[in-house]
Amino acid sequence: EVQLVESGGGLVQPGGSLRLSCAASGFTFSSYWMSWVRQAPGKGLEWVANIKQDGSEKYYVDSVRGRFTISRDNAKNSLYLQMNSLRAEDTAVYYCARDSPPDCSSTSCLVYFDYWGQGTLVTVSS
Amino acid sequence: QLVLTQSPSASASLGASVKLTCTLSSGHSSYAIAWHQQQPEKGPRYLMKLNSDGSHSKGDGIPDRISGSSSGAERYLTIFSLQTEDEADYYCQTWGTGIQGVFGGGTKLTVL
Repeated sequence: EVQLVESGGGLVQPGGSLRLSCAASGFTFSSYWMSWVRQAPGKGLEWVANIKQDGSEKYYVDSVRGRFTISRDNAKNSLYLQMNSLRAEDTAVYYCARDSPPDCSSTSCLVYFDYWGQGTLVTVSS
Repeated sequence: QLVLTQSPSASASLGASVKLTCTLSSGHSSYAIAWHQQQPEKGPRYLMKLNSDGSHSKGDGIPDRISGSSSGAERYLTIFSLQTEDEADYYCQTWGTGIQGVFGGGTKLTVL
């Protein structure tokens, strides 16, 4: 059974830092791209970042680029999100998600999130 | 710009069926999408991948009463024989080059 378990959330002051972790089990972690997706209170889902199997490629949403760093440790089956210079608007539940392999047609490719964790809450407030 | 548009809310009676809509922005009508369900106070759950021709593949354990279809730029999620546990938020999601993950705003389904 695929399991993704996030941890590391909490209350942090604006400008502070926090490191989230995601422990993966039930699949070959090193074979998949992985993502972080967040959800502000009462709002919808927002993709934050993803990372290639070997960590050599990383992509971010514009609002976090330069402040957040996604990383992974395949030996520990773990995904991380280092969040620096936190702002009130970063307050959200952060979900770890597994990226599906790309499914491509002649015009586009779809990558979707086929497994999700239960989330960890990050609150940025003074 | 790649945008997914969903109605904020929908409702239907227990035992009835409901059809939720996700509309792809102009120029992206051929894109495949995924549907995700988020029950109250839970993490999202992947439901299905849905192609532009209406073919779809569902996630593990997703019941037969949940189905998908497509027409032009619209992607549909139909739930038959509504049950109380179907009351949830439903999100469509696709993938954009340079943008990566893109979500619709979500539809809150109420089972009456």
